[in-house]
Amino acid sequence: QKEVEQNSGPLSVPEGAIASLNCTYSDRGSQSFFWYRQYSGKSPELIMSIYSNGDKEDGRFTAQLNKASQYVSLLIRDSQPSDSATYLCAVNGSGGSNYKLTFGKGTLLTVNP
Amino acid sequence: NAGVMQNPRHLVRRRGQEARLRCSPMKGHSHVYWYRQLPEEGLKFMVYLQKENIIDESGMPKERFSAEFPKEGPSILRIQQVVRGDSAAYFCASSTSGRRRETQYFGPGTRLLVL
Repeated sequence: QKEVEQNSGPLSVPEGAIASLNCTYSDRGSQSFFWYRQYSGKSPELIMSIYSNGDKEDGRFTAQLNKASQYVSLLIRDSQPSDSATYLCAVNGSGGSNYKLTFGKGTLLTVNP
Repeated sequence: NAGVMQNPRHLVRRRGQEARLRCSPMKGHSHVYWYRQLPEEGLKFMVYLQKENIIDESGMPKERFSAEFPKEGPSILRIQQVVRGDSAAYFCASSTSGRRRETQYFGPGTRLLVL
């Protein structure tokens, strides 16, 4: 059973701080990693994808990937109240099922004004 | 450019009834995925379809659940003889291909409540 683990939270940070979200995965064959944001009662929205070891930056978001440690993280700089949501880590399957995304349960982030 | 569309957004059924959930992928997308999100749980893959073909239904319960994506019209997820445990949010996603780096875009979901 392929698994994706996230800190369930809730994670609470003050406005303007850095929020750090972590994710580990069990399938060593996974090659694609995604962070989705899900507001309460809404659908998941892709905010970052990363495929190679290292960092990938997009505005206030930075994704970090370490395949050797099977670890992926998301940093949100200058956190805003509008960033308050559940953040879902998703990992693709390996081999012939690489279209299949396995999701973690999500980390609830609250940014306090 | 319309995104992934799902209807109905909310569906209430009594135990034993049938539920039909519809999904129209984004324009230009021919690959559709269905996921289920149970309360306090993560999204779980159910089925992957291309036009007129079921590619992978390994995440679908063997009984009562079926899916199709006909040549014309939306993809349909059908749940027969619903039970309370089927209450969940059902999300459809679509992509242009099934390749590993392809982004899956999610629809707004159908929230099914079984009484």
